[in-house]
Amino acid sequence: DGGITQSPKYLFRKEGQNVTLSCEQNLNHDAMYWYRQDPGQGLRLIYYSQIVNDFQKGDIAEGYSVSREKKESFPLTVTSAQKNPTAFYLCASSTPPNEQFFGPGTRLTVL
Amino acid sequence: AQSVAQPEDQVNVAEGNPLTVKCTYSVSGNPYLFWYVQYPNRGLQFLLKYITGDNLVKGSYGFEAEFNKSQTSFHLKKPSALVSDSALYFCAVSANTGGFKTIFGAGTRLFVKA
Repeated sequence: DGGITQSPKYLFRKEGQNVTLSCEQNLNHDAMYWYRQDPGQGLRLIYYSQIVNDFQKGDIAEGYSVSREKKESFPLTVTSAQKNPTAFYLCASSTPPNEQFFGPGTRLTVL
Repeated sequence: AQSVAQPEDQVNVAEGNPLTVKCTYSVSGNPYLFWYVQYPNRGLQFLLKYITGDNLVKGSYGFEAEFNKSQTSFHLKKPSALVSDSALYFCAVSANTGGFKTIFGAGTRLFVKA
């Protein structure tokens, strides 16, 4: 069953903690993306990767970090430097220029 | 720089009536245009795309969109709305400049009333 998965579905973070969101795809897509969605707003690009071992900052990369060691995996770390991390995080993958396939999302809440 | 505008935050339509959700864009180079739908607390689902070819594109669930180069628009349409079409709709654009980075519009919430 091909698709893109994200875990966990819900995540709670204390002030000052780093947390890592998982994203895995078995669609054999070269490109992967992380977006942040705030209530009532559109998607903002955090990081994207067009190929293994390479990634670029998106529009709101500050306070986040990523790695792309395997084609299938693109984990996102939300660091303590991100001052307002409460949001819905979406991972996606694609073979450009075609459409992106999205995971079900992770809802992160800061306690 | 690329940009996408969805001028309506919300569209209300009665079930059975036609619906239109508007989208205009700005890119350098040839545009690649997409529509996605999002249901509450879910990821986005792809509806349709324009990359090249016919200006009228047909997609999932009876939706279609028309690429209009002169007006730089890509409006989403459906001849007869269903209550189950109620959701958040996003228009997106990318181009072959800048590595196919995709820009999403702010979204339009569609309410279909029974």
